[in-house]
Amino acid sequence: GQQLNQSPQSMFIQEGEDVSMNCTSSSIFNTWLWYKQDPGEGPVLLIALYKAGELTSNGRLTAQFGITRKDSFLNISASIPSDVGIYFCAAPIGSDGLTFGKGTHLIIQP
Amino acid sequence: NAGVTQTPKFQVLKTGQSMTLQCAQDMNHEYMSWYRQDPGMGLRLIHYSVGAGITDQGEVPNGYNVSRSTTEDFPLRLLSAAPSQTSVYFCASSPYRGTSKLFFGSGTQLSVL
Repeated sequence: GQQLNQSPQSMFIQEGEDVSMNCTSSSIFNTWLWYKQDPGEGPVLLIALYKAGELTSNGRLTAQFGITRKDSFLNISASIPSDVGIYFCAAPIGSDGLTFGKGTHLIIQP
Repeated sequence: NAGVTQTPKFQVLKTGQSMTLQCAQDMNHEYMSWYRQDPGMGLRLIHYSVGAGITDQGEVPNGYNVSRSTTEDFPLRLLSAAPSQTSVYFCASSPYRGTSKLFFGSGTQLSVL
């Protein structure tokens, strides 16, 4: 299937720090998505991007749809303990479902 | 305010046993799907359905069967469980085919010994 390469694999940061993660692919996508998974729960959609170059915010989260349509970035400002979890990028497989990256584990040290 | 409900939460099977993972949604969504999540692998699509009576295969369908007799329910069947099917399984739904916002259940953790 179409592979989304997500990095970093994990991040250990201090509370209050800013976080950056990204997702790249060899394929072009018309939609990029960012999901968050809390421990023991299913993923929840954070941000959806539909246009190349688009920059979208959701509170302290900001995501960008790369100009080449082959990458996307997610930034979290001033991290707090509830930001802990796994962050996934995802993109549609045609109209039949989503392909996901392998995830970025965010661990916050108080 | 149930959303997507999955049962059971945990299950242990022996190799060769069969079982059905249940998924129900109360949002009248047309589209439903099953994903499996393995460590370091992200989520991979198993099967999906775009409406009652219609199902299709995703990326990793082997060893799994699905059916969609009603809009609300989309069970996943393992006919003869194998250790390679040890995973966390998520059911997800969306209002219609092609939308990006999937609503996920809380998952079923399955171990096959």
